[in-house]
Amino acid sequence: EAQVTQNPRYLITVTGKKLTVTCSQNMNHEYMSWYRQDPGLGLRQIYYSMNVEVTDKGDVPEGYKVSRKEKRNFPLILESPSPNQTSLYFCASSLSPSTGVGTDTQYFGPGTRLTVL
Amino acid sequence: GQNIDQPTEMTATEGAIVQINCTYQTSGFNGLFWYQQHAGEAPTFLSYNVLDGLEEKGRFSSFLSRSKGYSYLLLKELQMKDSASYLCAVRAANTGGFKTIFGAGTRLFVKA
Repeated sequence: EAQVTQNPRYLITVTGKKLTVTCSQNMNHEYMSWYRQDPGLGLRQIYYSMNVEVTDKGDVPEGYKVSRKEKRNFPLILESPSPNQTSLYFCASSLSPSTGVGTDTQYFGPGTRLTVL
Repeated sequence: GQNIDQPTEMTATEGAIVQINCTYQTSGFNGLFWYQQHAGEAPTFLSYNVLDGLEEKGRFSSFLSRSKGYSYLLLKELQMKDSASYLCAVRAANTGGFKTIFGAGTRLFVKA
């Protein structure tokens, strides 16, 4: 089954304790993204990756890191989480926009609800 | 800057037609998307427009006018299960790649 998986689904942590949220897709997609969703603000892109070893900042990258060592995985790293990073996080993947292929649907993972105390 | 506007909430009656508008300002336009999101769930893809005109897909249609920076999502024969948030998103070419910018979403309430 084609899917994007994220782990953990729920996480409560404390300020300053490093954490990683994993994201994996099985569709051989080149393009992967991380978003956070906050009430009234909608989805905001944190980082995206055009392909392996190619990452770039979205609109709200401060306080986050990503890596793309393999095509299927795109982990989100919070080196020193703070309460303002409490949010619902989504990972998404799609074919590469640069190929202009088809409709380029983004497939979203189920979400990770993070609370930083 | 880059900006997407869509109404915060709309209410419509079961069986009716509803149009959700989206206006955007962006440079490097590379396509406009509509997603549906039920409460507590991930967004799911509805439609994609990159050229002007209407794209129809069953009960859902999406329209784009690039010169006006305007799109709408049309939902026909509304059903109760269509109660959800509808997200308008624009993909824009960025240095080194493509960013995706979402609007805040429109919550649609379908009443009997």
